[in-house]
Amino acid sequence: VQVVESGGGVVQPGKSLTLSCAASGFVFNNYGIHWVRQAPGKGLEWVAIIWYDGQNKFYAESVRGRFAISRDDSRNTVYLEMNSLRDEDTAIYYCARANGCSSGVCSDWLDPWGQGTLVTVSS
Amino acid sequence: DIVMTQSPLSLPVTPGEPASISCRSSQSLLHINGHNCLTWYLKKPGKSPEVLIYLGSNRTSGVPDRFSGSGSGTDFTLKISRVEAEDVGIYYCMQTLQNPLTFGPGTKVDIK
Repeated sequence: VQVVESGGGVVQPGKSLTLSCAASGFVFNNYGIHWVRQAPGKGLEWVAIIWYDGQNKFYAESVRGRFAISRDDSRNTVYLEMNSLRDEDTAIYYCARANGCSSGVCSDWLDPWGQGTLVTVSS
Repeated sequence: DIVMTQSPLSLPVTPGEPASISCRSSQSLLHINGHNCLTWYLKKPGKSPEVLIYLGSNRTSGVPDRFSGSGSGTDFTLKISRVEAEDVGIYYCMQTLQNPLTFGPGTKVDIK
């Protein structure tokens, strides 16, 4: 059971970048997937979630309207399309599987996590 | 949004001694189904976060039993009964009651 992120890199402010999260070892379309980021020297910040059925998507206020999460169940992959990137989006981006459904969020815990992919927004 | 706070933010520990971290939420995390929607994670340097406790007090598979979670409503505690050197890192609480999910600022645990 694992998830693996890819697609990070250096990008100029205002540009776009798409991250991928490839899953294996479990029935992908039974699970929601989250993106969480950690800026240099900062704590963990939740970014977005897409539910198992792709119908429900939620975003942090800091990225809403600029980032879009999607999934391709045929490829067992979740994507995070990041537009209008800002310096403050520089971070390691992790994807993680959602587990449990004791509340409307249906994410009692996140596990496994990927190794992360670094996004650097810089001119 | 639910605001999460933790204390202390830094915790020097002695191996073999107990340690405790407090987490508080700006509103109750007690769901109508009786579950407290609070998770604890540990992020070790250079590693991805790992889940320790979910729904306030449930240890995930493989987590040593020296870790325990307690609390309800707005006040939660993570306890380590006897700290080991491998427990160093930053501990985060996170609420899973409602979107957006929110993390506490983290508590850095290191060896004295």
